[in-house]
Amino acid sequence: EVQLVESGGGLVQPGGSLRLSCAASGFTFSSYSMNWVRQAPGKGLEWVSYISSSSNTIYYADSVKGRFTISRDNAKNSLYLQMNSLRDEDTAVYYCARDVGYCSSTSCSNYFDYWGQGTLVTVSS
Amino acid sequence: DIQMTQSPSSLSASVGDRVTITCRASQSISSYLNWYQQKPGKAPKLLIYTASSLQSGVPSRFSGSGSGTDFTLTISSLQPEDFATYFCQQSYSTPYTFGQGTKLEIK
Repeated sequence: EVQLVESGGGLVQPGGSLRLSCAASGFTFSSYSMNWVRQAPGKGLEWVSYISSSSNTIYYADSVKGRFTISRDNAKNSLYLQMNSLRDEDTAVYYCARDVGYCSSTSCSNYFDYWGQGTLVTVSS
Repeated sequence: DIQMTQSPSSLSASVGDRVTITCRASQSISSYLNWYQQKPGKAPKLLIYTASSLQSGVPSRFSGSGSGTDFTLTISSLQPEDFATYFCQQSYSTPYTFGQGTKLEIK
């Protein structure tokens, strides 16, 4: 059974740092790209970051670029999100999500087939 | 960035009703459109990928259609467990953007 379990959330002051982790099990972690997606309280979903299976391709949303760093350790079946210079607007539940990529004859795309239960990050003084 | 707009934002319906939710992209995204269901306090669940492919384990009353800029999610006969919020998401290019969500409520 595929499982993704986030941890590391909590209360942090503006300007502070936090490191989120996502422990994966039930599948070959090193074969899949991964994402972080967040959801502010009562709001919609916002994609945050993507990392390919071998970490050689990384993307960020503009809202976190330069402040957040995604990484992974395939030996430990773990995904990470280092969050620095946190702002009030970073308050959200953060989900990790497995990325399934597929290619047609002309292009490639992806979808998120498994999600963790989320970890709450609250940025407040 | 590609903007995704869902309509309606909320919808009241009864068990057994046929329901359609619409998602429009600000530019053509081919068929790179996914649909997710989210219940309160839970993670999103993938329903449909590539506009019309049903994710394994998802009931066949869910279906998706569309290409280019206009897409629909249809639930053929609402069941009590279908009352939730639905999000579309484009995977044509980063940033992968989501619609604002459609909250489906019991009438």
